[in-house]
Amino acid sequence: QSVLTQPPSVSAAPGQKVTISCSGSSSNIGNNYVSWYQQLPGTAPKLLIYENNKRPSGIPDRFSGSKSGTSATLGITGLQTGDEADYYCETWDNSLSAGVFGGGTKLTVL
Amino acid sequence: QVTLRESGPALVKPTQTVTLTCSFSGFSLSTSKMCVSWIRQPPGKALEWLARIDWDDEKYFNTSLKTRLTISKDTSKNQVVLRMTNMDPVDTATYYCARDYSGNRFDYWGQGTLVTVPS
Repeated sequence: QSVLTQPPSVSAAPGQKVTISCSGSSSNIGNNYVSWYQQLPGTAPKLLIYENNKRPSGIPDRFSGSKSGTSATLGITGLQTGDEADYYCETWDNSLSAGVFGGGTKLTVL
Repeated sequence: QVTLRESGPALVKPTQTVTLTCSFSGFSLSTSKMCVSWIRQPPGKALEWLARIDWDDEKYFNTSLKTRLTISKDTSKNQVVLRMTNMDPVDTATYYCARDYSGNRFDYWGQGTLVTVPS
């Protein structure tokens, strides 16, 4: 059971938009930055979004992040088949004094 | 260019202690706000944060694994070492180290090392 809750799977057609939610609490998302990671099959995770809504260099603006209260959302527009991957949210938990990940969301581009 | 590489035994017997080394380049762990975290992923399962060591030698641990983990750094060698005691088959996973900038994002990852604990 992960501290952060994500939907196990989402799907959408190529070219469409999808959002992935990440729900936490005041001890984690509510008071800390959220980051998002993309993990393509058989590879290490890659940073997509940091500090809730910032994109590292090289990440296309099709990827966006937002945070409201104790929840965060990853948005992906103009879906491509290459976006099929597992997506994870992560933040710090002040009560645990530890990092916490969501359970991951598998994106299928139909 | 920042790179990280994990190394350690691929096979560990139950009850043994595993020592994993993260060798990195392109940054210094003596620089303010630099941290290195260890994260693992059992086959087919989610990522799990394990531990973090900061530039000032502060250390943080997964509360569920705290009694089994130690983390240390050798700044001169650009290495971070994670030790996990009393290994069990449920600890079978790919272990990643990642640069943890300012404690709020894993911006560079190693390729991971698979550690198997047979039952």
